[in-house]
Amino acid sequence: IAGITQAPTSQILAAGRRMTLRCTQDMRHNAMYWYRQDLGLGLRLIHYSNTAGTTGKGEVPDGYSVSRANTDDFPLTLASAVPSQTSVYFCASSDSLRGKNTGELFFGEGSRLTVL
Amino acid sequence: AQSVSQHNHHVILSEAASLELGCNYSYGGTVNLFWYVQYPGQHLQLLLKYFSGDPLVKGIKGFEAEFIKSKFSFNLRKPSVQWSDTAEYFCAVNARWGIQGAQKLVFGQGTRLTINP
Repeated sequence: IAGITQAPTSQILAAGRRMTLRCTQDMRHNAMYWYRQDLGLGLRLIHYSNTAGTTGKGEVPDGYSVSRANTDDFPLTLASAVPSQTSVYFCASSDSLRGKNTGELFFGEGSRLTVL
Repeated sequence: AQSVSQHNHHVILSEAASLELGCNYSYGGTVNLFWYVQYPGQHLQLLLKYFSGDPLVKGIKGFEAEFIKSKFSFNLRKPSVQWSDTAEYFCAVNARWGIQGAQKLVFGQGTRLTINP
């Protein structure tokens, strides 16, 4: 089934540890995104990528890094996790090239991260 | 900067009641508007969207939304809710739809809807 796969589904992490959340899409969408979801704050954009090889900062990028080596994969790395990064992380993608620009995002199932 | 405000944080209704969830945005240019739904334990799914044309948009599962440009609003409605509509609802605005590249949706805080049987 086409879509977005995120891993892990859930993770408990000690503060100070490094963590990478994985995201893979098979829809050949050019753009990919990472959002965090926090109660009362909705979804906030962390980083995004327009195409493979390019990335950009979103609303809350501090403490996170991303890479986009190819079209399908967009990992999110926490270099040194802190408790305030406890959240649910959603990866998303969109197709905004070749006249297919609908502005619609497709989301993964989410990764619940707890930093102690 | 664009912002989206959802007026209700938690709405509790009984089955068959009518629903209206408020959404206001701040952006003076052309926008695309979305409502996403997140059922318990699941990812966000598109409920409906507005790009242009008829300001009354119909989505899945009997939901509809009306775009009122003069009020910068995009309220979600359903005439008769069901227990299965229990979920969190997010309004989102995209002010970059006409531009190639990443679509930076700005989301509201979300409204948790609880339907009692």
